[in-house]
Amino acid sequence: GAGVSQSPSNKVTEKGKDVELRCDPISGHTALYWYRQSLGQGLEFLIYFQGNSAPDKSGLPSDRFSAERTGGSVSTLTIQRTQQEDSAVYLCASSQTSGRDNEQFFGPGTRLTVL
Amino acid sequence: KQEVTQIPAALSVPEGENLVLNCSFTDSAIYNLQWFRQDPGKGLTSLLLIQSSQREQTSGRLNASLDKSSGRSTLYIAASQPGDSATYLCAVIGSDYKLSFGAGTTVTVRA
Repeated sequence: GAGVSQSPSNKVTEKGKDVELRCDPISGHTALYWYRQSLGQGLEFLIYFQGNSAPDKSGLPSDRFSAERTGGSVSTLTIQRTQQEDSAVYLCASSQTSGRDNEQFFGPGTRLTVL
Repeated sequence: KQEVTQIPAALSVPEGENLVLNCSFTDSAIYNLQWFRQDPGKGLTSLLLIQSSQREQTSGRLNASLDKSSGRSTLYIAASQPGDSATYLCAVIGSDYKLSFGAGTTVTVRA
């Protein structure tokens, strides 16, 4: 009965390093989303997974960002060669299906700080 | 591209007063609208989801209305309490399955 979980809750890294952020969706939810919340930018969509379909990557800001979802469950968002403008809270959400009528449930987020 | 606007950006009221939070969106071809609450340093908690065919949804002291044709939604919180202090976000979903968010309204309820 747990909700969406994310780890780590906080990550501080140096510019140029790679980071991996993890998301565990609600059990049985087939759709998984990544969003980013930056100061002054609000919440923006990054990437969307639905089952075994090819992900919708249209929101990824650059090719330094990538994500995968293994076994239709856990997802990892990877940021390579981090830059200071990558500092933000990264939020993951899941929903029962990809249907547009389905409510999205959010995790607590990972706060990334790039020094 | 969908644009979501929330007015006001911030609101401060004494305890017991009713809250009215406004959300507008530019593309009326939405499938649903969600209202979220966000506490400082926390994730988003879903409050209400209104399907595009619905006019309103209620949960306890919360009531959300939707006028899809005019691109507006209003969240009413009755008899506000200090625990209602948070940022409230409106988001709409269209044909692309992605939520488009407003910037939020930060509410402070004074005891």
